[in-house]
Amino acid sequence: DAMVIQNPRYQVTQFGKPVTLSCSQTLNHNVMYWYQQKSSQAPKLLFHYYDKDFNNEADTPDNFQSRRPNTSFCFLDIRSPGLGDAAMYLCATSRDNSGGADEQFFGPGTRLTVL
Amino acid sequence: GQNIDQPTEMTATEGAIVQINCTYQTSGFNGLFWYQQHAGEAPTFLSYNVLDGLEEKGRFSSFLSRSKGYSYLLLKELQMKDSASYLCAVKDSNYQLIWGAGTKLIIKP
Repeated sequence: DAMVIQNPRYQVTQFGKPVTLSCSQTLNHNVMYWYQQKSSQAPKLLFHYYDKDFNNEADTPDNFQSRRPNTSFCFLDIRSPGLGDAAMYLCATSRDNSGGADEQFFGPGTRLTVL
Repeated sequence: GQNIDQPTEMTATEGAIVQINCTYQTSGFNGLFWYQQHAGEAPTFLSYNVLDGLEEKGRFSSFLSRSKGYSYLLLKELQMKDSASYLCAVKDSNYQLIWGAGTKLIIKP
């Protein structure tokens, strides 16, 4: 089945210790997104790629970086995690990022705990 | 600024009908989505509305009024598995998805 895969599902890191979350997709979609979601809050878009074209949200902290080495994979790097970065990180894909009906497909998420 | 409003939590009884409302104020409009999110899981797509009116899909229906900036998700014949959060999201003029915080729906036997 075509899908969006995220690894790991649960990640524990220490305050200030870099961590990388990964996402892969078999949907062959052009656009990949990274969201941060805290409990009972809306998903917050961190950045997205249209193919290799990187788009950073204005309020995404510099502590968060991303790489998309090819169509299938995308990584989220948190350089120095703080306690406030503990959250669920969701990867999503879409065929395009225009065209209203184009829905986003989500991976299962990585729950990050910062000790 | 852009804003999506939904009730924080609702409770309903198994077998009943529930309506979850969403109001929005966005710069432009290119469609409205409803997603379902079970606790600790990823959102899954439920419906998309871009024209005024009701879209029916099995037990779930979604309604849109663009002039009022209003949508609702109607769930019929509620089942225990429908206990989840329901997120409303609007595509603005830049095709950016603006998300609501979600409505947590609790189903009681």
